Amino acid sequence: DTEVTQTPKHLVMGMTNKKSLKCEQHMGHRAMYWYKQKAKKPPELMFVYSYEKLSINESVPSRFSPECPNSSLLNLHLHALQPEDSALYLCASSQSRTGENTIYFGEGSWLTVV
Amino acid sequence: AQSVTQLGSHVSVSEGALVLLRCNYSSSVPPYLFWYVQYPNQGLQLLLKYTSAATLVKGINGFEAEFKKSETSFHLTKPSAHMSDAAEYFCAVSDTGGGADGLTFGKGTHLIIQP
Repeated sequence: DTEVTQTPKHLVMGMTNKKSLKCEQHMGHRAMYWYKQKAKKPPELMFVYSYEKLSINESVPSRFSPECPNSSLLNLHLHALQPEDSALYLCASSQSRTGENTIYFGEGSWLTVV
Repeated sequence: AQSVTQLGSHVSVSEGALVLLRCNYSSSVPPYLFWYVQYPNQGLQLLLKYTSAATLVKGINGFEAEFKKSETSFHLTKPSAHMSDAAEYFCAVSDTGGGADGLTFGKGTHLIIQP
């Protein structure tokens, strides 16, 4: 089973709302990722968790807050987002951060900020 | 920093024709290279990867890619295109230094299959 599950599939939120994106994998992977993908662009790395420890991407605004409750779950908390944050948010996982490991992606969560 | 360049943002081929999607990498050491496919409104699916075990890599759906160090290339090919191959294709590189922070993607190539 090489499945990364993301919920919700679609989310519409106002700029003052607080919402969360959720991600789950049961492959025993110890590295998990959040990517952001704008239309017709490649995915851009936002955050990496390795053994439930965060590697911070300095260019990600603080209105995005990741959380890794355990080795199978990854959340992305959203607060005071801007319309330009509307995008596809992809969760992914791999056995470890070592470069040769395959990164498996979920189907993504489509976020629209109004 | 390692990077990949995909030549051609759009490639159009006829059904049954050869598919060739180009990817060149920039790295001071042999990299780990990946090809992913993204169908409309879906996530990314791994087609194949190069990790130095063999220069010719076979993947899913009849795709293969050849790692050529002399040309710093990792082009993706498929002998006979099918309508279902229409999608966005991304070449990606991963750090070999052990401190990998995910993948760095090329800009993508949109593959169009003409009937």
